[in-house]
Amino acid sequence: EAGVAQSPRYKIIEKRQSVAFWCNPISGHATLYWYQQILGQGPKLLIQFQNNGVVDDSQLPKDRFSAERLKGVDSTLKIQPAKLEDSAVYLCASSLFHGGRYGYTFGSGTRLTVV
Amino acid sequence: QQQVKQSPQSLIVQKGGISIINCAYENTAFDYFPWYQQFPGKGPALLIAIRPDVSEKKEGRFTISFNKSAKQFSLHIMDSQPGDSATYFCAASIDAGNMLTFGGGTRLMVKP
Repeated sequence: EAGVAQSPRYKIIEKRQSVAFWCNPISGHATLYWYQQILGQGPKLLIQFQNNGVVDDSQLPKDRFSAERLKGVDSTLKIQPAKLEDSAVYLCASSLFHGGRYGYTFGSGTRLTVV
Repeated sequence: QQQVKQSPQSLIVQKGGISIINCAYENTAFDYFPWYQQFPGKGPALLIAIRPDVSEKKEGRFTISFNKSAKQFSLHIMDSQPGDSATYFCAASIDAGNMLTFGGGTRLMVKP
């Protein structure tokens, strides 16, 4: 089966600019996650969707980050305006069942550099 | 608050040796403990996972040991190979895989 697709692979922007990332999960996977991975650290959950509804966004900095999952398939994560500390790899993951009891499948991520 | 602490941060092992990575958690509500392997430029991939009702799980050269009373679990890689060189993350969650909390990662290098 095809994996989780993410684009772009790399993005360099200046601080205060906006940026958007796109994720296409594995077909049929109802649950979708966005994680932020700062260099040298483990991934940190930003938001979890079940179909097109938000399950948990408690760790999403809502003053600048937003995410949506239209029609319960593709998802976009947006940052506006970006700060230097947003430099990280943004990982999208999906799982077949709520709870991910069979494991997540991660995409390769989008590496964001804010200068 | 870091809920999953992982050690060591980096590890160098000779080919054929045993690699051991340790994790400790604080939240006793965690009931699912997976390990992920990440190669440069790739997302993490599930390696092996354990539930707290067993003390050990083995899959090929990879073994998880789990100590519920100590709130610790570890990954053992037997007969380590250069192809095992990667970053390993332990994780924990409530409700079997939902909303994973990751450790800080261990960069493993296996020397030929």
